[in-house]
Amino acid sequence: GENVEQHPSTLSVQEGDSAVIKCTYSDSASNYFPWYKQELGKRPQLIIDIRSNVGEKKDQRIAVTLNKTAKHFSLHITETQPEDSAVYFCAAPVGFRSNYQLIWGAGTKLIIKP
Amino acid sequence: NAGVMQNPRHLVRRRGQEARLRCSPMKGHSHVYWYRQLPEEGLKFMVYLQKENIIDESGMPKERFSAEFPKEGPSILRIQQVVRGDSAAYFCASSPLATVPLNNEQFFGPGTRLTVL
Repeated sequence: GENVEQHPSTLSVQEGDSAVIKCTYSDSASNYFPWYKQELGKRPQLIIDIRSNVGEKKDQRIAVTLNKTAKHFSLHITETQPEDSAVYFCAAPVGFRSNYQLIWGAGTKLIIKP
Repeated sequence: NAGVMQNPRHLVRRRGQEARLRCSPMKGHSHVYWYRQLPEEGLKFMVYLQKENIIDESGMPKERFSAEFPKEGPSILRIQQVVRGDSAAYFCASSPLATVPLNNEQFFGPGTRLTVL
């Protein structure tokens, strides 16, 4: 069925260390993979996305990697800072909605320990 | 260019009352999505609308819930005869074109936090 699985559900890292969040998807035809960040009490906001024609994309401390064969993509945050604490959501177009809509992962709560 | 607007930001209703949530998409955006988010949980898709059309309402309960996006004015998510289980944050998002396959970002509003007493 249509599915996007996200792991881990909670991630706690020391400030300055790296954090990695992984998502797997079920539809091999999926071609667009955004990551959204939601701070406590606020709206989700797009932080980075990747299309299926590339394997990696970087934006300062944030990077996303895509493995189409294995059907998974990951968010990498390096040199983590307190303001990185938030819930992160991945998404992908999957299944019968794939022509127009995204399926969302369940979210990862990232905690940056000082 | 104002972002996606939602009102009210907080709404308190007693069981059995009606809740009306409004979403004004960004200027130029004709695609609206409604999501529900329970505390400590992810975004659950409810409905996707274009102007005057419901494209996909498969995520919305068939009873008590309805949505519209008229030619003029905001999109409305309506919940009739609310129950305690309807308490959640309701987010709308808009995009200028379809998110897929054109890879357009969904811009989220600040959400409406509905509390049912």
